Amino acid sequence: AQKVTQAQTEISVVEKEDVTLDCVYETRDTTYYLFWYKQPPSGELVFLIRRNSFDEQNEISGRYSWNFQKSTSSFNFTITASQVVDSAVYFCALLPVNTGFQKLVFGTGTRLLVSP
Amino acid sequence: DTEVTQTPKHLVMGMTNKKSLKCEQHMGHRAMYWYKQKAKKPPELMFVYSYEKLSINESVPSRFSPECPNSSLLNLHLHALQPEDSALYLCASSQGAGVSTDTQYFGPGTRLTVL
Repeated sequence: AQKVTQAQTEISVVEKEDVTLDCVYETRDTTYYLFWYKQPPSGELVFLIRRNSFDEQNEISGRYSWNFQKSTSSFNFTITASQVVDSAVYFCALLPVNTGFQKLVFGTGTRLLVSP
Repeated sequence: DTEVTQTPKHLVMGMTNKKSLKCEQHMGHRAMYWYKQKAKKPPELMFVYSYEKLSINESVPSRFSPECPNSSLLNLHLHALQPEDSALYLCASSQGAGVSTDTQYFGPGTRLTVL
């Protein structure tokens, strides 16, 4: 079974705080991809990052960083020094090989509220 | 350029109306997708077109009819919808369905209200 769990439904922080969004996935495939998307109130899903199952290197992009650990099936996302513009719903998603890499399996999303 | 455009942004229709949603991309992508998203839920896949052929239909009711006239365009024809079909409809495209490094890029969506 393919599944993505985002246990945090909603997180509220004050601007400049660091925040980590958790993502745990389940798959029997050895080849798969993991994604994070941001959905601001406007509705568009914005692609943030893609990671393949063979690359466990952490990645940093500006204030964003991602920690991928196969041993715990987790792909967590940290925002450093959060800003009001980071307020959005964040989805973690799994793209497994057994769907021909066509079907994204989304988590339920984490709503992040950053207040000034 | 990773832009996917969708029109209209908002649509209100009655249950007896026929309307269409339109999606366009000019990234040379060969796979296009329709998703439905209800409030506070993740997107749900409806259809996938790969090289202009329907490759996945997630058991969507026939009142939703997709069409892919060419590799850049994707339409979703709506007929006799129900109020529970009110949702955000998202279009996405990717380089080619089945390509392992594929990333889906999403449009801004059409907010549909069925009265």
